[in-house]
Amino acid sequence: AQKITQTQPGMFVQEKEAVTLDCTYDTSDPSYGLFWYKQPSSGEMIFLIYQGSYDQQNATEGRYSLNFQKARKSANLVISASQLGDSAMYFCAMSPGGYNKLIFGAGTRLAVHP
Amino acid sequence: DVKVTQSSRYLVKRTGEKVFLECVQDMDHENMFWYRQDPGLGLRLIYFSYDVKMKEKGDIPEGYSVSREKKERFSLILESASTNQTSMYLCASSLEGTLNTEAFFGQGTRLTVV
Repeated sequence: AQKITQTQPGMFVQEKEAVTLDCTYDTSDPSYGLFWYKQPSSGEMIFLIYQGSYDQQNATEGRYSLNFQKARKSANLVISASQLGDSAMYFCAMSPGGYNKLIFGAGTRLAVHP
Repeated sequence: DVKVTQSSRYLVKRTGEKVFLECVQDMDHENMFWYRQDPGLGLRLIYFSYDVKMKEKGDIPEGYSVSREKKERFSLILESASTNQTSMYLCASSLEGTLNTEAFFGQGTRLTVV
């Protein structure tokens, strides 16, 4: 079965500290993509970062990095130097090949405290 | 600026009504998707379309149908709305063909069925 699991319903972090949001996935497809999206309280979905199953290096985008451990089937998001504006819902998603349909996890709500 | 536009931000309908949720994208994307978002469940795929007049069932198609008569427009239809279809509905679009294609989302429609 193709599935994304996010085991942390809620997390909090102090401003300026780093935080890791967990994501594990399950697929039998050899080719797949992994995504992280941010959803602020306003509701829009904002693309953060992408990792391909064949990518050798972990993806990075500014303060976001994806800790990709293929053997463990995990794709954790690391946010460095948290800001108050990072408070939002974060979704991990997978595209297991074919038509780019995305399978989402349940999400993790992150609260950044001053 | 790329855009996916959903026709309504908030909608209140009565049980048994036929409901149309409209989505339009201006990016000439081949793929379009309808998701439903519920707390604790993340986003679940209802239907997707990879071409005009083509559609595929997602994970939760029961009680829904879709229509794609033009490339830029993808409609979600609730044939007879029920209270358990009260939810946030998100439309998305993406280019076809490669795994690293991010999906672009609309602002969401919060549907309440009373």
